[in-house]
Formats: sequence, structure tokens, C-alpha cells
Amino acid sequence: AQSVSQHNHHVILSEAASLELGCNYSYGGTVNLFWYVQYPGQHLQLLLKYFSGDPLVKGIKGFEAEFIKSKFSFNLRKPSVQWSDTAEYFCAVLTGTASKLTFGTGTRLQVTL
Amino acid sequence: NAGVTQTPKFQVLKTGQSMTLQCAQDMNHEYMSWYRQDPGMGLRLIHYSVGAGITDQGEVPNGYNVSRSTTEDFPLRLLSAAPSQTSVYFCVSGDRVNTEAFFGQGTRLTVV
Repeated sequence: AQSVSQHNHHVILSEAASLELGCNYSYGGTVNLFWYVQYPGQHLQLLLKYFSGDPLVKGIKGFEAEFIKSKFSFNLRKPSVQWSDTAEYFCAVLTGTASKLTFGTGTRLQVTL
Repeated sequence: NAGVTQTPKFQVLKTGQSMTLQCAQDMNHEYMSWYRQDPGMGLRLIHYSVGAGITDQGEVPNGYNVSRSTTEDFPLRLLSAAPSQTSVYFCVSGDRVNTEAFFGQGTRLTVV
């Protein structure tokens, strides 16, 4: 079965710092990859997704992610974080034809002023 | 444009009680699924459905039942609530290609 690893559980950054959150998955076949964000008290919202093509994917709110197939990674980046980026971030993998997303355990990002 | 509607938003149950979490989507999506979210564990799949009349188990199905009699509705039943089922539950729907998963607002369930 596929699995998703997010190694950073809690990240604290100052505003304007650069962000990189790691995501690794274990599945040898074709994968579709996602990053979701969950603001406090809310449901998950899609930040960006990768299905095929350019491995550098740009999403909303200045986020981007790079798919590196050889490393089974899909790391999330943002050049300059804002206080409003404080949230929990989830990496997810979709394999096969069924609607079965496998999520990582999440990374809680705290941005300080 | 309602999207995915989940009810209730909050619920407190006593151990042993049963209840049904409702989920409805108005996007004619074939795929629907239920996840539970627990601190430090991410979201785990409980049950899913690829179309009306078809359901299957996910990663943590014990203690839960589902049915999919229509495309729109995918209720989740807790047969006999246990404190271990205290969690936040999300209903999710997607289309055949599943280019994006649409989340309900979530149900925060507490079992005492």
C-alpha cells in the first residue's frame, strides 16, 4: 500500500522567511500529487496538484511544489511566508482509479510577526 | 452552489449510542469517501464509494457502516459509538478523473 511521509511535524518561521516542507511517497507507479492547507477550524483546501507535465507546479497564494520522480518527493515551497500562512499543510497521493487519497500526517506551520 | 454538505457540524454521543453522519453533494460526482482526522495522524480513509450501489472499506473501517443508494448521498453510520471514535470527520467527493477532491465542512464528534 502507498504511504506518504511528512518529516516536519511543526515548523516555526518568521514572516518573510522562506519555506520548504518535505513530502515523500512510496509507490512505484503513476501518482497524482496534492498539497492541501487547513486553516484553524476549517476544512482542507487545495493548494496545488501535479498530474503530469512540468514537474514544477505553481499553486495559489504564491506556493509552488516540485515533483522529483527519482526521489519520490513533492516538496512544497514559498519564497516569503506571511503570518496568514499559519495553518496545517497536508501532502496527499492519489493512485489507481478510485477516489482514495492517502494523506501524510501533516505539518503545522506557525508564522511569527 | 452547495458543493459537499455535511451534517451535523458538532455532535456529542454517549458510549454505545448510534448515529448517522449525513453527506450530500450536488456535483454529480461518482466518487465519495469518508475520512477521519486525528492529531498527528493526518486523514485516514474509513470507507469509499465509486458509484451508487458500490462501497468498499478504507484503512480504518471498523465500527462504521456506509451505503450509497443514490449518487448524491453517502451517509456514515456509527453502530455503537466508542471514545476511540472521537474525531473530526470529513466527507469528500470527486469526479471520475478526480482532478480535485471536494471536502465537506467536517463534523466534530465527541464520544463520552
